[in-house]
Amino acid sequence: DAGVTQSPTHLIKTRGQQVTLRCSPKSGHDTVSWYQQALGQGPQFIFQYYEEEERQRGNFPDRFSGHQFPNYSSELNVNALLLGDSALYLCASSEGATNEKLFFGSGTQLSVL
Amino acid sequence: AQSVTQLDSQVPVFEEAPVELRCNYSSSVSVYLFWYVQYPNQGLQLLLKYLSGSTLVKGINGFEAEFNKSQTSFHLRKPSVHISDTAEYFCAVSPYRRSTGFQKLVFGTGTRLLVSP
Repeated sequence: DAGVTQSPTHLIKTRGQQVTLRCSPKSGHDTVSWYQQALGQGPQFIFQYYEEEERQRGNFPDRFSGHQFPNYSSELNVNALLLGDSALYLCASSEGATNEKLFFGSGTQLSVL
Repeated sequence: AQSVTQLDSQVPVFEEAPVELRCNYSSSVSVYLFWYVQYPNQGLQLLLKYLSGSTLVKGINGFEAEFNKSQTSFHLRKPSVHISDTAEYFCAVSPYRRSTGFQKLVFGTGTRLLVSP
């Protein structure tokens, strides 16, 4: 049984570009949350998707957007990249939007030059 | 709003010694409490959690934590550490409301546990 898978594992972009990160949840999970982990910091909540809708959102600008597909997989899009967007982006899945049992993927390391 | 403070950014300890990693939180509502571990180049793995009931919580790999409501603390302990316990440890809270259940996780900045022979 595959856990949470994220792609790509590493990505290098330049300022102003746009990026799309992908996440496949653990089998049986229908909820996906995204977190940003800057170097030396704890992860910060970006948003949560359930039933193909954004259910909760953290303090991130509109440049950060997402999508959830009917198969529960999800994408995180970041527009107009800034140097400060360089971070490890973690995806977590759960069975139900109110379930505290989160399973995390290994993340996508994004570097913005 | 919630916040989590992990005062120790790094804790060096010798193998087989006991260790305590400190965590304090602030919240105006009830919270769930969690400890996660992150090994190099990996995602987060749940060590243990406190939702309700007994304030002493046992987790995986011999770790345990005690919830202290009056001191708003949730310190993580292990009586004897191994080299393989070297990792980053994150304390996290989640605001809890009966109507909405679990919400987002709010993490501390992490404590790096360095176990040496």
